[in-house]
Amino acid sequence: QKEVEQDPGPLSVPEGAIVSLNCTYSNSAFQYFMWYRQYSRKGPELLMYTYSSGNKEDGRFTAQVDKSSKYISLFIRDSQPSDSATYLCAMGGGGSNYKLTFGKGTLLTVNP
Amino acid sequence: SAVISQKPSRDICQRGTSLTIQCQVDSQVTMMFWYRQQPGQSLTLIATANQGSEATYESGFVIDKFPISRPNLTFSTLTVSNMSPEDSSIYLCSVSPQEGSQYFGPGTRLLVL
Repeated sequence: QKEVEQDPGPLSVPEGAIVSLNCTYSNSAFQYFMWYRQYSRKGPELLMYTYSSGNKEDGRFTAQVDKSSKYISLFIRDSQPSDSATYLCAMGGGGSNYKLTFGKGTLLTVNP
Repeated sequence: SAVISQKPSRDICQRGTSLTIQCQVDSQVTMMFWYRQQPGQSLTLIATANQGSEATYESGFVIDKFPISRPNLTFSTLTVSNMSPEDSSIYLCSVSPQEGSQYFGPGTRLLVL
């Protein structure tokens, strides 16, 4: 079993839809969780990070973490064509090495 | 956050040659990382480069193939040595100003013929 599992998609939705992106993980040592957005031919851009179970909201984006189920989600409300990108989840543990483990990424297309 | 630049942005190289990729950050950071992103794959950590110490390589990556320099707190280089077509990939540097946040450069797209 891989440490982080993420459905690669592709996922295609109409403009204005609510998008749900998910990752599962197996390592209970992970303590912080991130979501990155990567446009074609660009580096990953940090969207959200959280340390605890529960929800964190930032504009149209909500990150949800359920440590008991080892499951994280990113919700995008009122999706826009500009949200079309690959979304990567990433996780890290405690300690001093700051190492992250990434999912493979989900390719999202929002159609106008 | 941090602003990171990489040079070159892309290159096409012949097998057997070497390429050095530069990473420049707009602020001083201790933790700097080098990743590889192959098509359809996760980002894979190559090594951690901390100023003043030897780079720490992940399993499957060795210093002879990917030598790294970290001369100061704003700059690092990664060399891809004796390249083969299997080294064709995107190479990314990142920095972590604090645990829980990591910021990436735009990447270097490498094609080896």
